[in-house]
Formats: sequence, C-alpha cells, structure tokens
Amino acid sequence: DTAVSQTPKYLVTQMGNDKSIKCEQNLGHDTMYWYKQDSKKFLKIMFSYNNKELIINETVPNRFSPKSPDKAHLNLHINSLELGDSAVYFCASSQGGQGNTEAFFGQGTRLTVV
Amino acid sequence: DAKTTQPPSMDCAEGRAANLPCNHSTISGNEYVYWYRQIHSQGPQYIIHGLKNNETNEMASLIITEDRKSSTLILPHATLRDTAVYYCIVRSHGSSNTGKLIFGQGTTLQVKP
Repeated sequence: DTAVSQTPKYLVTQMGNDKSIKCEQNLGHDTMYWYKQDSKKFLKIMFSYNNKELIINETVPNRFSPKSPDKAHLNLHINSLELGDSAVYFCASSQGGQGNTEAFFGQGTRLTVV
Repeated sequence: DAKTTQPPSMDCAEGRAANLPCNHSTISGNEYVYWYRQIHSQGPQYIIHGLKNNETNEMASLIITEDRKSSTLILPHATLRDTAVYYCIVRSHGSSNTGKLIFGQGTTLQVKP
C-alpha cells in the first residue's frame, strides 16, 4: 500500500517519441506535484495541481503536459522527447496547497532518452 | 523563501550523533525550517520542521538558534541507513505559499562503520 506510486520505474525511449508517466496517491491529499532531478542531482519543481487545478508551472516546455483526472492522480505526458529530458522524475503529494504539511514523494521514474 | 547554506558533505561514525548544520540568515518571521533527506535512488523523505522552538520526533531533533539564523538537524544514533543527502529548506505557510519545495544542493552525509 505505497502512499505515492509512479509507473513505470524505468523508461528508455528514443528521441522524438511521446511517453507518459503515471502517478497515484492514496493519502487523500488534494495537491500533487511533479519534480525533475537532473544528472547533477538538482531537484526542481515542474508542476503543481491543487484539486485538479494547475497552480504551478515553472516555465516547463510545452512538450510537457500534466493531466489530473482526479485528486488522486497526476500524470505527466511528454511529447517529442529530447536527450535533455533524461532525468529522474518524482511525483509528490501534500494536503493543502499552502505548504502547511509535509510532502510525500514517490520512488521516481528514471527516464533515459537515447 | 529564504536561501539556505549547507556544507556539501559530512562523515559520521555509526552509532554516533550526526549534527547537520544549516544557515538561513535571511529567514523571515513567518518562515519555517524544514528538513528532508534523499537516500540513494529513492524519493525525498520528510524528516522534521520547526518555526522557532526546538522540535523532536522519532527520526531526529531540530535545534533552531534564538535569532533563527541557523539550525542543526541531529540524528542521535546514526546508522548506515542514514547515509543520504539532507536538505534544509526554508518556506512560509499560508495562502502565499504554493506548497512547492525549493531544494538546494544539500549535505551528503556518509555514515561509516
């Protein structure tokens, strides 16, 4: 009964392909996030959704499109993958979009674009 | 949110206390100090947070100086499984905060046998 689960754990794909990463949380939280950790290990927020509404978009290219079908899910779709998209992507959730509570992270999806 | 400064790396002997410092000299009155850690190949994990009083939970203790310009995370009896990157993050609560975490480089703690 993992709190925040992402699939797949590993993803290897060719440049130009379109891929999706799925995230689900069973904590009843109303806010979900996507973070990207690059090869230098810097963790940076990409998106945040609160009650299915986008509240943060940190100047991420349009090729990245998050979709939140309900409060428990936040999926990340990436079009026309580029070599620079290779990274580990973490999904997270918290209760409330005002930073009052701790965030729970998934185990990450390691994306490799070749 | 205020910026934090942490040493890039530290070593600690297994069974001893690990004291991880963090400077946040520009912290404002409504900003909290949070600590997360990231064990290799895992997602970040919340440890503890505080405003001005010292805090303790089952994982660690957080000591915040009286002027709030620095803090120390204490792992009382470090184990090999505590080897990780530890992030000190300063953030506010309330309607002006979107919930996002701004991670710095953190401190890589190596616990040695």
